[in-house]
Amino acid sequence: AQSVTQLGSHVSVSEGALVLLRCNYSSSVPPYLFWYVQYPNQGLQLLLKYTTGATLVKGINGFEAEFKKSETSFHLTKPSAHMSDAAEYFCAVSESNFNKFYFGSGTKLNVKP
Amino acid sequence: NAGVTQTPKFQVLKTGQSMTLQCAQDMNHEYMSWYRQDPGMGLRLIHYSVGAGITDQGEVPNGYNVSRSTTEDFPLRLLSAAPSQTSVYFCASSYRGVHEQYFGPGTRLTVT
Repeated sequence: AQSVTQLGSHVSVSEGALVLLRCNYSSSVPPYLFWYVQYPNQGLQLLLKYTTGATLVKGINGFEAEFKKSETSFHLTKPSAHMSDAAEYFCAVSESNFNKFYFGSGTKLNVKP
Repeated sequence: NAGVTQTPKFQVLKTGQSMTLQCAQDMNHEYMSWYRQDPGMGLRLIHYSVGAGITDQGEVPNGYNVSRSTTEDFPLRLLSAAPSQTSVYFCASSYRGVHEQYFGPGTRLTVT
């Protein structure tokens, strides 16, 4: 089975600062990688995904992530944090044959004014 | 197009009671899944289905049953509720091969 590790259960940044949320995965086959965002009392919304091709993927709300195979990482970044970015973020890995997702434990992002 | 819908939104059960969480999607997705979300543990896969009539276990299937008689519906049954099943439950669906899952709004279940 795959596993996903998100470093830091809580990350706090100032408004306008760089956002960096870390995700590492274990996989013996090329993975499909995802970042989801969850606002309080809501379901999960897809931010971005990597399947094949360009390793730098851009998502909604100014977020992007880079797939680094050698580091088995898929870190999420945003150049300038906004108050509305405060939410919980989940990294996920999918097996190639079926849509079984393995989620990380999540990182809560706090944005300070 | 309602997407993925879940009912009820909230539920309180006593230990030993049974109930069914409902999930429906109107996007003609082949794949459907049930997850539970617990603090600090992310989402864990309970059961999933790759099409009508086909289901399989995920990471944490004990105490739950599923069936998939139609493409649209994927109910999750708690046979005998336990306090350890207190959680938020999410249903998700996707097309085969696309790998992007669409999530429902969740059901918050408390077992006392």
